[in-house]
Amino acid sequence: EAGVTQFPSHSVIEKGQTVTLRCDPISGHDNLYWYRRVMGKEIKFLLHFVKESKQDESGMPNNRFLAERTGGTYSTLKVQPAELEDSGVYFCASSQDIAGTPFDTGELFFGEGSRLTVL
Amino acid sequence: AQSVTQPDIHITVSEGASLELRCNYSYGATPYLFWYVQSPGQGLQLLLKYFSGDTLVQGIKGFEAEFKRSQSSFNLRKPSVHWSDAAEYFCAALYSGAGSYQLTFGKGTKLSVIP
Repeated sequence: EAGVTQFPSHSVIEKGQTVTLRCDPISGHDNLYWYRRVMGKEIKFLLHFVKESKQDESGMPNNRFLAERTGGTYSTLKVQPAELEDSGVYFCASSQDIAGTPFDTGELFFGEGSRLTVL
Repeated sequence: AQSVTQPDIHITVSEGASLELRCNYSYGATPYLFWYVQSPGQGLQLLLKYFSGDTLVQGIKGFEAEFKRSQSSFNLRKPSVHWSDAAEYFCAALYSGAGSYQLTFGKGTKLSVIP
């Protein structure tokens, strides 16, 4: 079974440009999460989808970030326009359980992350 | 606000030596607690978790962690480290956010293993 896949693995762009990150969750997982790790800082929650709906987007830093999950399958995270402080590693995760916590069955599965460098 | 602290940024141990990675959390109630590992080029992998019950939990790859409520700690241990354990380790706690559940992570501890 394929795990969570993210694309691209690394993106280098200039300040003011646009970047779109993609996440393909494990097939059948209704929950999809985005997290971000800025250099030297903690991994921080960005948002949570249940199927195609945004369950919680309280961690999104500002309106330059737009996440979508059309059809409840893969998700994209667009940064427009990118700023220097957006540099970091963006992780996607998925889980199956939708009743109660996503951890009742044990695990949030993470992708390898997409490293974004804004110059 | 909820927080997770990993006081050690980088630890170096010799292969075969024992290992303890520290983690402290700050919450009003006992949270769900986790340890994740990220090896080079890999995603985050769950090592073990604590929800309730026995305070000593066993995980994969020979790791264990002990929950100590009095110290608000959830330290990760391994009796004998292998070179393949070199990675970055993250302690995390689960709390309920705006209608959802969010993981709060520590800053991570990078483990180097000397042959």
